[in-house]
Amino acid sequence: QKEVEQNSGPLSVPEGAIASLNCTYSDRGSQSFFWYRQYSGKSPELIMSIYSNGDKEDGRFTAQLNKASQYVSLLIRDSQPSDSATYLCAVNIGGYNKLIFGAGTRLAVHP
Amino acid sequence: NAGVTQTPKFRILKIGQSMTLQCTQDMNHNYMYWYRQDPGMGLKLIYYSVGAGITDKGEVPNGYNVSRSTTEDFPLRLELAAPSQTSVYFCASTLAGSGPYEQYFGPGTRLTVT
Repeated sequence: QKEVEQNSGPLSVPEGAIASLNCTYSDRGSQSFFWYRQYSGKSPELIMSIYSNGDKEDGRFTAQLNKASQYVSLLIRDSQPSDSATYLCAVNIGGYNKLIFGAGTRLAVHP
Repeated sequence: NAGVTQTPKFRILKIGQSMTLQCTQDMNHNYMYWYRQDPGMGLKLIYYSVGAGITDKGEVPNGYNVSRSTTEDFPLRLELAAPSQTSVYFCASTLAGSGPYEQYFGPGTRLTVT
């Protein structure tokens, strides 16, 4: 069975610090990887997508992909209290853009 | 653009009742999906559709049915509701081929079966 694993947290970081979120996946054939942010009681929203090995930066967010290790990570620099949310890792599992989601990591940024 | 809309927002069902969760998107997306999210868990794919008249099962289809008669609408039917179907249901859509294949989510329907 194809799986996506994340540490459930909570991950607690002080304001201004770097938050590091990790995700591993089981399907070696996966080609597309996504990080969604989900505030409590709200729907997921996409914050990063990555398709190639290496780093991809967008503002305070950096996604890192290592297909050989089947590992995806998300770094949030200069963390803000507004970043406090659950971060879901999602992996494309083949045709029709189907995704498998991890259970999510809860991030708490404290002032 | 309203994006993806879902109704109702909340619903309480008794065991054995049936209901339809509505999902509509106005972005002319061809792919649509239904997920459920249990507390503290990620999203599980129930059914998906790649166009009007074409649907297929996801990871957890048992107890649900779908139809897709138009590009815009993708209703999810629960027959004989069970407590195990208590969950938050999200509908999502994407435009195939547009890249980066972002799925846009509706606001969700919170369903309780008692």
